[in-house]
Amino acid sequence: DIQMTQSPSSLSASVGDRVTITCQASQDIVDFLNWYQQKPGRAPKLLIYDASNLEPGVPSRFSGSGSGTHFSFTITSLQPEDVATYFCQQYNNLPCSFGQGTKLEI
Amino acid sequence: EVQLVQSGAEVKKPGESLKISCQASGYSFSTYWIAWVRQMPGKGLEWMGIIFPGDSDVRYSPSFQGQVTISADESSSSAQLQWATLRASDTAIYYCARSKTERGVDAYDIWGQGTMVAVSS
Repeated sequence: DIQMTQSPSSLSASVGDRVTITCQASQDIVDFLNWYQQKPGRAPKLLIYDASNLEPGVPSRFSGSGSGTHFSFTITSLQPEDVATYFCQQYNNLPCSFGQGTKLEI
Repeated sequence: EVQLVQSGAEVKKPGESLKISCQASGYSFSTYWIAWVRQMPGKGLEWMGIIFPGDSDVRYSPSFQGQVTISADESSSSAQLQWATLRASDTAIYYCARSKTERGVDAYDIWGQGTMVAVSS
């Protein structure tokens, strides 16, 4: 199975900051990598698919990049409503797997 | 509106059986894969398996193979997740989610609201 290692596990930043989360795969996953946001008590929400594609309706301050084994997720100007836990997910091989999550606080 | 609506919270005892459901609407249920994802209390997301409702092709994570059964009913546009014998360690929120495209192994763009399952004696 492919292991996904996310860092950091938690992060505190200020409104307006640029925030970056990284995700490393245990083997090459090409660009089969997605990013989700989960707010407390809510279901996950897809933000970025195929490493760098913004899901329709998602604000443009969210972006993703990377390929192979190293990926990053960036919020260019942090907003109060971005407080959430963020997960990466690979789907190059079954079983799909998620990173352990990054809890983002303001 | 495309949506997945899951059945309500359950409180069960160890050893009991359970089936929870995920009702799809607003799209062609038969042509998109449905995944089940577990989230244990305070923990991350775990992919359990997927089903293609059109032919009931099911793929399980090895971690969940033999522990749960995933099924789908095209006539009611509903997917199910069931346990024959619950354990306390099955206590979690269970989400269903739809694949973004018809290819199956994919991003999940539509999620159910989650079903809380609590197993305790």
